[in-house]
Amino acid sequence: GAVVSQHPSRVICKSGTSVKIECRSLDFQATTMFWYRQFPKQSLMLMATSNEGSKATYEQGVEKDKFLINHASLTLSTLTVTSAHPEDSSFYICSARDQGQGNSPLHFGNGTRLTVT
Amino acid sequence: QKEVEQNSGPLSVPEGAIASLNCTYSDRVSQSFFWYRQYSGKSPELIMSIYSNGDKEDGRFTAQLNKASQYVSLLIRDSQPSDSATYLCAVTGRGNTPLVFGKGTRLSVIA
Repeated sequence: GAVVSQHPSRVICKSGTSVKIECRSLDFQATTMFWYRQFPKQSLMLMATSNEGSKATYEQGVEKDKFLINHASLTLSTLTVTSAHPEDSSFYICSARDQGQGNSPLHFGNGTRLTVT
Repeated sequence: QKEVEQNSGPLSVPEGAIASLNCTYSDRVSQSFFWYRQYSGKSPELIMSIYSNGDKEDGRFTAQLNKASQYVSLLIRDSQPSDSATYLCAVTGRGNTPLVFGKGTRLSVIA
């Protein structure tokens, strides 16, 4: 089955620093990857859609200059949280589906637990 | 704005019973429907997908879809304590589009 690998699984950083999260599709190609964020006891909220070779599409209320997305290849998307603040502490999860699979299920990475102190 | 509604629970059922989870969605043109299970601190994992009206069974799980009523459900037969988790209903439209998730229903199976 399709596997999405996400690293790191957990990161603690100081306020004001930047953190990069990597998302890789291991056995399929993904022109599009989706980044979600989940706060405690809440559901997954879409942050942005990462598009290979072009700019990401951000959801309303998500600052594109703060959450930098780069989709440099068909198997790798990165999310960089710049100038992190404690309110950015959350569970970040990337997802993708095999390109050409239309509206099949999304495959999720294991998530990254970000704690900003 | 697409919305997916779920009862947050908790839903408590005894071991061996049937757990029934429900979901409604607002976007009438939604094409694909999914149930994910999420354990605390973990990423969601796919339980069932359903694309057409009716029932779909996979082991102890049965998904039901009624597009006219914009309603999706998940039945878990012979519930086990290991089924205790949050169940997320997710909906998507046509093409390579993101999933819209409900807030999830927390299920607790009591041994």
